[in-house]
Amino acid sequence: GESVGLHLPTLSVQEGDNSIINCAYSNSASDYFIWYKQESGKGPQFIIDIRSNMDKRQGQRVTVLLNKTVKHLSLQIAATQPGDSAVYFCAETLRDNYGQNFVFGPGTRLSVLP
Amino acid sequence: ETGVTQTPRHLVMGMTNKKSLKCEQHLGHNAMYWYKQSAKKPLELMFVYSLEERVENNSVPSRFSPECPNSSHLFLHLHTLQPEDSALYLCASAYDSNSNQPQHFGDGTRLSIL
Repeated sequence: GESVGLHLPTLSVQEGDNSIINCAYSNSASDYFIWYKQESGKGPQFIIDIRSNMDKRQGQRVTVLLNKTVKHLSLQIAATQPGDSAVYFCAETLRDNYGQNFVFGPGTRLSVLP
Repeated sequence: ETGVTQTPRHLVMGMTNKKSLKCEQHLGHNAMYWYKQSAKKPLELMFVYSLEERVENNSVPSRFSPECPNSSHLFLHLHTLQPEDSALYLCASAYDSNSNQPQHFGDGTRLSIL
């Protein structure tokens, strides 16, 4: 079946540096992608999304890049802060007879070092 | 404040008990979801409701029984659970179940089966 995976299960970065979290997806028909952040004891929080007709989208300190040729998604966090420490999930959306479903990756833990 | 509220936050129950998890959203969304989050596994979709109708049951055992009395409330009734059912149960809502819109998650119920 379809799957979404992450290359690095953990990532440690120095405070102030930029972070890049990567994600590979397998279904070329996926047309919508989301990045979520999950802090300890909380549910996933929406960060940014991108549709398949785009290859880049920017938010506040975050940028998502989509490379449909190699089915790769990345999340870039500028000037990483201690509050960015969390698990980050990518999700692709697939459509079936019931509607739209999200398929989540296993997550990458980002640790920000002082 | 996530807009999606789950209660209780923690639940410990024996295998013969019957309990219910509650989810409430005030975002005006028409779709609601139950997910299971286990350690070291991606988020697993359990149930999808759209306009109070169940549109997907993702091969979930019958010991989990969802209920959606209206578009703002979602329940997950539990009975005769197994130790492997211990996990974080997350509720999410979305504008609808078929458009490219992000899901909004609650903070989950941490369930422990004794």
